[in-house]
Amino acid sequence: DTEVTQTPKHLVMGMTNKKSLKCEQHMGHRAMYWYKQKAKKPPELMFVYSYEKLSINESVPSRFSPECPNSSLLNLHLHALQPEDSALYLCASSQVRLVNTDTQYFGPGTRLTVL
Amino acid sequence: QKEVEQNSGPLSVPEGAIASLNCTYSDRGSQSFFWYRQYSGKSPELIMFIYSNGDKEDGRFTAQLNKASQYVSLLIRDSQPSDSATYLCAVEQDTSRRANAGGTSYGKLTFGQGTILTVHP
Repeated sequence: DTEVTQTPKHLVMGMTNKKSLKCEQHMGHRAMYWYKQKAKKPPELMFVYSYEKLSINESVPSRFSPECPNSSLLNLHLHALQPEDSALYLCASSQVRLVNTDTQYFGPGTRLTVL
Repeated sequence: QKEVEQNSGPLSVPEGAIASLNCTYSDRGSQSFFWYRQYSGKSPELIMFIYSNGDKEDGRFTAQLNKASQYVSLLIRDSQPSDSATYLCAVEQDTSRRANAGGTSYGKLTFGQGTILTVHP
């Protein structure tokens, strides 16, 4: 089973709202990722968690706040977003390996629209 | 210079032909290479990964890696209209710049801009 699930599939929010995106995997992966993807562009890495600890923050604005409550769950809390934050938000997970990077498996994404 | 470069296309091939997708990368220390397929409005789906120089075949797909030339390619044989999608090349960042957590490490991927492939009947 290589499934990563994300909820909700679609989200519309105003600039003053607070919302959260959720991601779950049951593959025993210990690395989880948030990516942002704009139309006709490749995914851009936002955050990496390794063993439930934040390992990479790609200089993401503080209006995006990640959380990893346990090894299977990853959340992205959203607050005071801007219209330019509208995008497809992708969660991914992978094993953590010493040598080669393991494959990252992507969830279906959450299509976010900020009004 | 972009870290990972792909021809944006669109690449158009007839059904049954071989589609050749190319990717070059700048980080000589990169060790892991991935090809993802992404249909419009969907998330990336893994096609192949390759770690060693040479060819790796999986069904109609063959990945080719040449670390000396910093080049990785994907060949799709007997192309089908259902292969029409954007193909993303992803390259792992140099392992020497990996962060560590708990005595192990992860890799950071850099994606190319993607090549749009159209297979016409």
